[in-house]
Formats: sequence, C-alpha cells, structure tokens
Amino acid sequence: EVQLLESGGGLVQPGGSLRLSCAASGFTFSSSAMSWVRQAPGKGLEWVATITGSGGSTSYADSVKGRFTISRDNSKNTLYLQMTSLRAEDTAVYYCGKDDGYSDSSGPVTSWVDYWGQGTLVTVSS
Amino acid sequence: SYLLTQPPSVSVAPGTTATIPCGGNNIGANSVHWYQQMPGQAPLLVVYDDDDRPSGIPERFSGSNSGNTATLTITRVEAGDEADYYCQVWDSRSDHWVFGGGTKLTVL
Repeated sequence: EVQLLESGGGLVQPGGSLRLSCAASGFTFSSSAMSWVRQAPGKGLEWVATITGSGGSTSYADSVKGRFTISRDNSKNTLYLQMTSLRAEDTAVYYCGKDDGYSDSSGPVTSWVDYWGQGTLVTVSS
Repeated sequence: SYLLTQPPSVSVAPGTTATIPCGGNNIGANSVHWYQQMPGQAPLLVVYDDDDRPSGIPERFSGSNSGNTATLTITRVEAGDEADYYCQVWDSRSDHWVFGGGTKLTVL
C-alpha cells in the first residue's frame, strides 16, 4: 500500500524559512518522480514543484522559483521542500504526491499524481 | 502560461448525469487528468490520460477530451459524489503542471 506522510508544517513569520518532509512507503521511491502541490485556504490546487526519481531534474512554479527547493533522499525514501523568504501568500496546505506518467520517442508526454499525502499546513503570519 | 477554465459550480439531481467541463486552448492535444476532493481531505485521482480510470474508481466516472474542452462525466450521480473536481494537464512548453480552478459539484 502506497503511503505518503508529510511533516514539518507550522506557523512561521514572513521572511522566515521552513522545511517540509514527506516520508514514502509501499513503492520503489527512487523510480518515481514526486511533486508538491499546495492549496491556500478556500482556494484551488496549485502545483509547486516536481523532481525526477534520480533527483537530477527539478521544475518549479514561477510563484516559488528562487525561494523554494525540492529535493529527495532516496536512501531514506523521503521528499523535501525547503521554503525560504516565506510570504503570507504561501499560507496553504502542502501536499506531496507520487507522480505517474509516460514518455514517447520525443520525450515526456504527460504526468499526474496517482497518490497523495494528507497534507501539512503552513501558516505565514506575524 | 497555459490556462484551464472550469465553471465554479455544477448542480444535478441524484440519479442523473453530471458533466464538468475544463476549457483550454487546443486542450485536445494534451492529456487531461481529473481529481476529486472531498471537504477536508486530500485529492483523489478519478480519471487520468483523458479517459482511463484508476483501480477502485467506479465506471460511473469517465472522461473525454477534444478540441478546446475536456469533460468529466459522472453518471447515476450519488450524494457521495458531492465534492470539488479539478482538471490538470502537463504543459510541455513550460514544463509546468496546470490545474483548473475547480468545480464544486452539488447533488440537489
């Protein structure tokens, strides 16, 4: 059974930093790309970042690029999101997700989240 | 950047069919995925790659995608289907995921 358990959320002041973790089990972690998706209170889903299975490639939403860093430790089956220079608008529930998708001869075709964690709340406020 | 447009709400009576559209420029050229989110819960994948269903998702849930609109269809709607539904694509030009704004399905 695939399980994803986020931790590390909490209250942080504007300009502060926080590191989220996502402990994974039930699948071959190093073979799966992983993503973070967030949801501000009462709002919709917003993609934050994605990392390949090896950790060699990452991509970020424009809203967090240069402030957030996605990484992984395949020896610990754990995904991370290092968040710096936090702003009030970063307040949200942060979900980690196991990605699935496929490629063809031209490269990646599509990807999606096939399993989600339960989320961890990050509140940025003074 | 690529935009996906969903109506904020759709209302249907129990036992009828709900259709939730997701609009985007030439979205038919992309693969579209759909998620269901119950209040206070994490999202759940209900349709992927336009029209495939993960194991455990009822056959009542189906998807289609053509032209500028992708559609999630739920037949024989039940009270338990009441939730927010989001469409999602991977935009190859930006290497970004894009989510629609979400549609709240109300079962009357």
